[in-house]
Amino acid sequence: DADVTQTPRNRITKTGKRIMLECSQTKGHDRMYWYRQDPGLGLRLIYYSFDVKDINKGEISDGYSVSRQAQAKFSLSLESAIPNQTALYFCATSDLTSNTGELFFGEGSRLTVL
Amino acid sequence: RKEVEQDPGPFNVPEGATVAFNCTYSNSASQSFFWYRQDCRKEPKLLMSVYSSGNEDGRFTAQLNRASQYISLLIRDSKLSDSATYLCVVNRGDYKLSFGAGTTVTVRA
Repeated sequence: DADVTQTPRNRITKTGKRIMLECSQTKGHDRMYWYRQDPGLGLRLIYYSFDVKDINKGEISDGYSVSRQAQAKFSLSLESAIPNQTALYFCATSDLTSNTGELFFGEGSRLTVL
Repeated sequence: RKEVEQDPGPFNVPEGATVAFNCTYSNSASQSFFWYRQDCRKEPKLLMSVYSSGNEDGRFTAQLNRASQYISLLIRDSKLSDSATYLCVVNRGDYKLSFGAGTTVTVRA
């Protein structure tokens, strides 16, 4: 089983619908992140959380919200999806005590908004 | 200007060849640097960290040039399994990593 699990892996929805992407991890890491990946743009940070009570906006947070329900769970919501939110979304974790900066990614959630 | 810029490639090389590519970063205060590998439609995975003195990991060599603000990755004796997109990643010191868009390498038999 993957250490960082994302659900759903694929989702097609319509404009205006509410969508939630869920992420859970068994690595015991405090830090969790949501990124989106678009062709030619690289990964961009949407939100991040350094512990259960900590939520921070990333570079492209507009139109998104998150919830850190527990150390192991970090969900991303699109309250009213729009077509330009079509992308590949990755959840990631990192270890607070690590000095390598290594991120551990989930397998990704491919979202298509029609 | 993007924080991290990479030549998207693709670099098409025969097995056994050497391939090298660079990545430039804009923030001179950046503190740590990494190369990640991403296979098609898969998640990125850490390939190697990049140290100031340069470092090797098997057939892979990474270099950092702080004066010119670029890092490089060299792959020797390329294998078919090296075909992937290589992401340059920069840590500005606040544990938020900046990713390049990636350089695609295709190794042909």
